[in-house]
Formats: sequence, structure tokens, C-alpha cells
Amino acid sequence: LAKTTQPISMDSYEGQEVNITCSHNNIATNDYITWYQQFPSQGPRFIIQGYKTKVTNEVASLFIPADRKSSTLSLPRVSLSDTAVYYCLVGGNDYKLSFGAGTTVTVRA
Amino acid sequence: SQTIHQWPATLVQPVGSPLSLECTVEGTSNPNLYWYRQAAGRGLQLLFYSVGIGQISSEVPQNLSASRPQDRQFILSSKKLLLSDSGFYLCAWRGDGPSHEQFFGPGTRLTVL
Repeated sequence: LAKTTQPISMDSYEGQEVNITCSHNNIATNDYITWYQQFPSQGPRFIIQGYKTKVTNEVASLFIPADRKSSTLSLPRVSLSDTAVYYCLVGGNDYKLSFGAGTTVTVRA
Repeated sequence: SQTIHQWPATLVQPVGSPLSLECTVEGTSNPNLYWYRQAAGRGLQLLFYSVGIGQISSEVPQNLSASRPQDRQFILSSKKLLLSDSGFYLCAWRGDGPSHEQFFGPGTRLTVL
């Protein structure tokens, strides 16, 4: 499994854009990049997934450079309810995903 | 639509007692199933995963075991709980399609005293 590195925590204010960068230097050719969000006492929830370039959905955007050794999750105009832990995962069709410690994002009023 | 159930929601057990946590999935067939544990303030640790009935892969050697007696049923067990087994246990499923999205259950909060 490719190892990922992301910041332990980030602080932001309501209405701002939050960008979380994840490093995955040993990503394999078949690996996808997936981000999850977790609130306290709940299971993680899928946010977005990508392989290369840019992916956007109604919740977030995912930017992946050409070398795929990193990725950036972008949360536009965050609100207090976006306070959560965000996990970056890298994996392929090996049925296993490894969740690290994640990034705790705290949004303040 | 697919749903995933876990029970019990919370559990307090003495050290040395047995454990049985159950997870069931509805609305899909032949799911890939996972058991994770999350210690307080930590990330998720993959414990077991299963790609089919009776097929269990263990990721971390410990006093826990898993079984998959039916296609959509995944059970986590222990014969003798340790204090270090305390944590938030999550079951998840994933389909065989190109998406790597895993769907998580509500979790079981286990406290071993």
C-alpha cells in the first residue's frame, strides 16, 4: 500500500477555501486517490476520488499533478459543519485501503 | 439502496470476556467486507477484509478473529478481550466496480474494563 503524508491539523474560518495536500511519493500505476471525511463517532464518508488531473463534484475538488506524487483536496467556502477529519487514501484493486491519522480541519465562525 | 448495519452500538465488557460484533449488508451481493478499529483520536486500523464467504484476510495479528458465514454477514470475535481492544469498531463494504468507495456502518463503541 502506498504511504500517504498529510498535515495533522488545519484551521480555517467560515466562507474560506480549505486546501489539504497529501503526499504519496510511491503511488503505483494502478492506484487511485480517494478522500474521506469523518465526524466524531461516525464512520468515514466518501468525498471524492481521482486518478489524474482534476475532479470536481458538488462537495469538493481534487487536484492531481502529472507525476501523481501528491494531491490536493479543495473545500470551497467551508462552513462550521465542515469541521471534521479528512483522510487521503491511495490504493488500487487490492481490496484494501489504509487510513492514516488524517487531517483535522477546524472551521471557526 | 444499500444499507449496512452494525450491532450493538455500544458495549462495555470486562477483560477476559468474549466478544461478538455483527455486521450485515443489505441491497447488494458479494460485497467486499472490512473490519476497522479506531482508537481514540487516531486513524482507522484495518483488521480484516473478506472478498467472499469463508474468505478472511487478517491485517494485524492479535487476539481478534473474523468470520463470514453468509454473503452479507461479517462477524468480529474474540475469545478473551484485552484492555487494548477498546475502541470504535467499524464495518464497511465495497462493491467490485471501478470505484474504490467504501461504505461504513454506524460503528460499535467497545470499552473493555
